[in-house]
Amino acid sequence: QVQLKETGPDLVQLTQTLSITCTVSGFSLTTYNVHWVRQPPGKGLEWMGAMWNGGGTDYNSAFKSRLSISRDTSKSQVFLKMNSLQTDDTAKYFCASRTGRGYFDYWGQGVMVTVSS
Amino acid sequence: DIVMTQGALPNPVPSGESVSITCRSSKSLLYSDGKTYLNWYLQRPGQSPQLLIYWMSTRASGVSDRFSGSGSGTDFTLKISGVEAEDVGVYYCQQGLEFPDTFGAGTKLELK
Repeated sequence: QVQLKETGPDLVQLTQTLSITCTVSGFSLTTYNVHWVRQPPGKGLEWMGAMWNGGGTDYNSAFKSRLSISRDTSKSQVFLKMNSLQTDDTAKYFCASRTGRGYFDYWGQGVMVTVSS
Repeated sequence: DIVMTQGALPNPVPSGESVSITCRSSKSLLYSDGKTYLNWYLQRPGQSPQLLIYWMSTRASGVSDRFSGSGSGTDFTLKISGVEAEDVGVYYCQQGLEFPDTFGAGTKLELK
């Protein structure tokens, strides 16, 4: 069955870089797309960006040039990197699959990241 | 960006009652392919969001038929027929028509 799992640090220092890995199983990254969504504590969901099955990417302009998404298809992994972290980047970060147009059908359990000064 | 606005519920809701959650988009989500790109999710406490309804009215695999979605191009409703304890959580609508994908702020369902 389809599964996604995020791994990453619990704590990141202010202005440093966040790196999170999403490892998928049950489908190929060359078939379906993987997106990143985050959720600050007690708040709603924010779409961050996408890794398309063809290898292209799209980003939410809210993150300007801070965000980078890449992949290693041989390891079934998608990577999120975001630099210049601020305290308002404290959030749970989810990866989610998109097998049909426009919706997220499977989600990882998320990784909670706290940005500390 | 497309703004998604969700309505509130008169919490707490008695078990077995039917409720409707509303969502409005700042732009029509009806695309030229005939599909309306509005989706609904439930996030139970401490869990990841779960897809309930996609393309406005199609139930996701394994989702109870107590959940139904309807609407027009900009106004949408998620109906839960006979709420149960497992329905407690926050419901989000999301538009998948254009980037960036955007979500509503969420509607909390509490059970009496």
